[in-house]
Amino acid sequence: GPKVLQIPSHQIIDMGQMVTLNCDPVSNHLYFYWYKQILGQQMEFLVNFYNGKVMEKSKLFKDQFSVERPDGSYFTLKIQPTALEDSAVYFCASSHGDWGNTGQLYFGEGSKLTVL
Amino acid sequence: GDSVTQTEGPVTVSESESLIINCTYSATSIAYPNLFWYVRYPGEGLQLLLKVITAGQKGSSRGFEATYNKETTSFHLQKASVQESDSAVYYCALGENYAQGLTFGLGTRVSVFP
Repeated sequence: GPKVLQIPSHQIIDMGQMVTLNCDPVSNHLYFYWYKQILGQQMEFLVNFYNGKVMEKSKLFKDQFSVERPDGSYFTLKIQPTALEDSAVYFCASSHGDWGNTGQLYFGEGSKLTVL
Repeated sequence: GDSVTQTEGPVTVSESESLIINCTYSATSIAYPNLFWYVRYPGEGLQLLLKVITAGQKGSSRGFEATYNKETTSFHLQKASVQESDSAVYYCALGENYAQGLTFGLGTRVSVFP
């Protein structure tokens, strides 16, 4: 079936550095999401991106976070600067349309971020 | 905010036995959210197992079933006879609309032994 690819699968960085997580969504999908899962906790919604703009974001989406998808390339999550509490697995998801009714969300395998 | 509570894992079951994973939900903005079961098989990404968007209806896929019960606000996942290939982590989730994303449960790890 359709695949969402995430790069890198694992990244280790020092606190205060910048990190960019990349997502290659399913082609022709229009809605893009990032979720965050801290070890032992629930996967939580971060942000929804559509038509070049953030549509919705949760309280977890701090000012240090940003998302973009320049020219239809990777959908990226940038964290600058990183903090210890940003250590988590970040999941990208994409959807063609209203997954509540006719569509569905497709998830990547996650990017594990470790902040030291 | 919204919340989802599901059976705490790990759950161990023998092949051909029945399986039930309980899920209850609470939605703050709408009375009847969309309900989902997702599954992550070893080495793979999260994928949709089944969904039900109408209260009172049942969804089914790969031998699994779940009924949307609005009275008890539950969406339990059941399978009459599991196989070793059903070993995975199962997540119950609810969604109010496509913009706000999904609210997930903690996940239930299921191990099926031959």
